[in-house]
Amino acid sequence: SQQGEEDPQALSIQEGENATMNCSYKTSINNLQWYRQNSGRGLVHLILIRSNEREKHSGRLRVTLDTSKKSSSLLITASRAADTASYFCATDGPAGTALIFGKGTTLSVSS
Amino acid sequence: DGGITQSPKYLFRKEGQNVTLSCEQNLNHDAMYWYRQDPGQGLRLIYYSQIVNDFQKGDIAEGYSVSREKKESFPLTVTSAQKNPTAFYLCASSGTGGAYGYTFGSGTRLTVV
Repeated sequence: SQQGEEDPQALSIQEGENATMNCSYKTSINNLQWYRQNSGRGLVHLILIRSNEREKHSGRLRVTLDTSKKSSSLLITASRAADTASYFCATDGPAGTALIFGKGTTLSVSS
Repeated sequence: DGGITQSPKYLFRKEGQNVTLSCEQNLNHDAMYWYRQDPGQGLRLIYYSQIVNDFQKGDIAEGYSVSREKKESFPLTVTSAQKNPTAFYLCASSGTGGAYGYTFGSGTRLTVV
């Protein structure tokens, strides 16, 4: 079952620009998480936002959540070449189950 | 340093052969998970375990088996019944009972030869 869908599938920007990725999901959630994956590596947890939160910041990352639209966005400000990676959103399933991941957005930041 | 270790990094399987992927964590996490990732795709859940000696099937459990005899270990066996096993396999762990992020291993790339 695929809960989250990221948009766009791929994004290419220049260093210094901002990158915005979106995630839509289908059923109600308790929390939504964003992960980063460098090519051929495991995923790294970036940020978690609870259903009663609307916005959260962590360094250059800003995540918003709109539960009425069942959508979230991840903004990376002042992108660097090192931000080149795939980014996934993940939503929690019923209690005691596992996270459900979307297909991801591939971000390419060129210098 | 605490972390989660997957081995081997690369694995080659012959047709009809069973292979076992190792996943060990020293984070004292109760929950562990196995996901499969195909090129350009998201992660699909194979099996998960919330506690020792208990595990549940995920969305694509057919052709796979697991055990959870120790808190630290959650090995995945890819059996000969799995007809298309070539993929990148990711193991993760987390706390339970609340909203926790997952800690992932670095993955095992399995190829059928």
